[in-house]
Amino acid sequence: GENVEQHPSTLSVQEGDSAVIKCTYSDSASNYFPWYKQELGKRPQLIIDIRSNVGEKKDQRIAVTLNKTAKHFSLHITETQPEDSAVYFCAAASGGSYIPTFGRGTSLIVHP
Amino acid sequence: KAGVTQTPRYLIKTRGQQVTLSCSPISGHRSVSWYQQTPGQGLQFLFEYFSETQRNKGNFPGRFSGRQFSNSRSEMNVSTLELGDSALYLCASTRDFQNTEAFFGQGTRLTVV
Repeated sequence: GENVEQHPSTLSVQEGDSAVIKCTYSDSASNYFPWYKQELGKRPQLIIDIRSNVGEKKDQRIAVTLNKTAKHFSLHITETQPEDSAVYFCAAASGGSYIPTFGRGTSLIVHP
Repeated sequence: KAGVTQTPRYLIKTRGQQVTLSCSPISGHRSVSWYQQTPGQGLQFLFEYFSETQRNKGNFPGRFSGRQFSNSRSEMNVSTLELGDSALYLCASTRDFQNTEAFFGQGTRLTVV
């Protein structure tokens, strides 16, 4: 089955800095890569996703890149703000199962 | 449009007991997945139901089971509870079996004592 590794487990940055979270996946059939944000005590919510036919996608201060050859995908957050503090989960899903396999999460802390 | 609703929000059970958790998906969504969330382990997939059929199952013991009703509402049951079953149980619904956004419920916090 699919295996998703996510790094780092904790990321601490100053407000205004950029943050990068990296994930790798094992199943070459995976073609859908969503990212979820979970604020303390709240449910995970989709913030951005990318499909395997696209190398990069941006939405305001967040962007995701995908390298299918290396089976890497990353989340980039620019100009971080304290409200970006949360746990971020990457995931990978294949056309076969459609069930996303999640990474273990990255706790992002943005210091004012 | 109402979101995904999970009940109850909190449960405290004793080892050896069984528990049933409920999930009502977004109206029109036919796929419901269940996840166990524990600190440091992320979101571990339990099982997924589509049109009352279990389509996928994760690597959990047989004590964990589920079902889906004709109105797409789903329940999961854990029998013979162990201390290690203490976790946040999340369900997520998607419109169909395509790779589209999964909407999560608030979760049920289960504590086994």
